[in-house]
Amino acid sequence: DGGITQSPKYLFRKEGQNVTLSCEQNLNHDAMYWYRQDPGQGLRLIYYSQIVNDFQKGDIAEGYSVSREKKESFPLTVTSAQKNPTAFYLCASSIGQFSGNTIYFGEGSWLTVV
Amino acid sequence: QQQVKQSPQSLIVQKGGISIINCAYENTAFDYFPWYQQFPGKGPALLIAIRPDVSEKKEGRFTISFNKSAKQFSLHIMDSQPGDSATYFCAASIGSDYKLSFGAGTTVTVRA
Repeated sequence: DGGITQSPKYLFRKEGQNVTLSCEQNLNHDAMYWYRQDPGQGLRLIYYSQIVNDFQKGDIAEGYSVSREKKESFPLTVTSAQKNPTAFYLCASSIGQFSGNTIYFGEGSWLTVV
Repeated sequence: QQQVKQSPQSLIVQKGGISIINCAYENTAFDYFPWYQQFPGKGPALLIAIRPDVSEKKEGRFTISFNKSAKQFSLHIMDSQPGDSATYFCAASIGSDYKLSFGAGTTVTVRA
């Protein structure tokens, strides 16, 4: 079945540690996204990528990094510079840029700082 | 600064009742307005979407009403069922842009 796979589902990070969240899609979508979800704040865009080897910062990119070496993969690294990383992280993808762009989400990854 | 304001934060409705969620926006360049449904621990899924050239769109028990002059749109869930209990997000985007701006979400609880 086509879809977006995020791993791990649950991740614990120690202070000062970098962690990487995996996102893989087999929908043959050009665009991929990372959103952060906090209670009462909706979804906020961290990074997005329109094509391979290209990505742009979203609204809250500080303390995060991404790469897009393959069309189907868009991993997110939460660095030690991110002071409040505990959140639910959602990866998403879409066919490309056009009006009425439907974004499909993965199941999400919970990150907790311990 | 949130570009799409959503209310209420939560609501409780009896089975068979109507759930109404409202959203307002400022950016008149927005031309695509989707609603997403999210169950606990899962990613959001597209429920229904509308463009500003129509005032209403209906899919089953879900209806979007759109008021371009007031820059408001709303989701109506008719004959609400316990399985509709979820968090609903409105969103907006510009056709030339990749980014969706989301509202803060509304948690709907349908009591049997």
